[in-house]
Amino acid sequence: AQSVAQPEDQVNVAEGNPLTVKCTYSVSGNPYLFWYVQYPNRGLQFLLKYITGDNLVKGSYGFEAEFNKSQTSFHLKKPSALVSDSALYFCAVGGPGTGNNRKLIWGLGTSLAVNP
Amino acid sequence: SQTIHQWPATLVQPVGSPLSLECTVEGTSNPNLYWYRQAAGRGLQLLFYSVGIGQISSEVPQNLSASRPQDRQFILSSKKLLLSDSGFYLCAWTKAGTDTQYFGPGTRLTVL
Repeated sequence: AQSVAQPEDQVNVAEGNPLTVKCTYSVSGNPYLFWYVQYPNRGLQFLLKYITGDNLVKGSYGFEAEFNKSQTSFHLKKPSALVSDSALYFCAVGGPGTGNNRKLIWGLGTSLAVNP
Repeated sequence: SQTIHQWPATLVQPVGSPLSLECTVEGTSNPNLYWYRQAAGRGLQLLFYSVGIGQISSEVPQNLSASRPQDRQFILSSKKLLLSDSGFYLCAWTKAGTDTQYFGPGTRLTVL
């Protein structure tokens, strides 16, 4: 079965430190991989995506993610966390190669708390 | 540029009452449209999606229904709400043929 896992319910990091939010996937075919962020009582905002090409993808607000095919991972990273980065982060996978017909498979989300 | 609207922003309804949530997209044509529910635990559950007017695919059997009367309008309905229908309802769109979803601001529904 196709799935996305975000193994950490919550990640805590001090402001100014690097942050990593983990995501692994299991799909058939070549995946398209996405990261979204959700602030309280708001809709999800698109951060970045990997379709093909360079394994390191840069996105909004200084975030980046690295596609690792051998480890089937797509971890979200930022070199220096800000308190304003505190939010809920979702990983998702889709793409025509997965046979999902334009639907995305979503992880359960990771709550990031950046402490001042 | 494209924008997506949802209303109302919040709604409190008694059990057994009807429901109608509306989603509209501006600045694009023939989008794919999606309805999600996000329960308190935070995971996203895909409820319905549509690739065109009158074309609705249901993902989860329940007492909700969806309709797409116009190209850029997507409506979520229920004839009789249940307590379990409470949650945060999110509408999203994609450009036809692509996978990046863009979300509306959501509707917080509380069924009492």
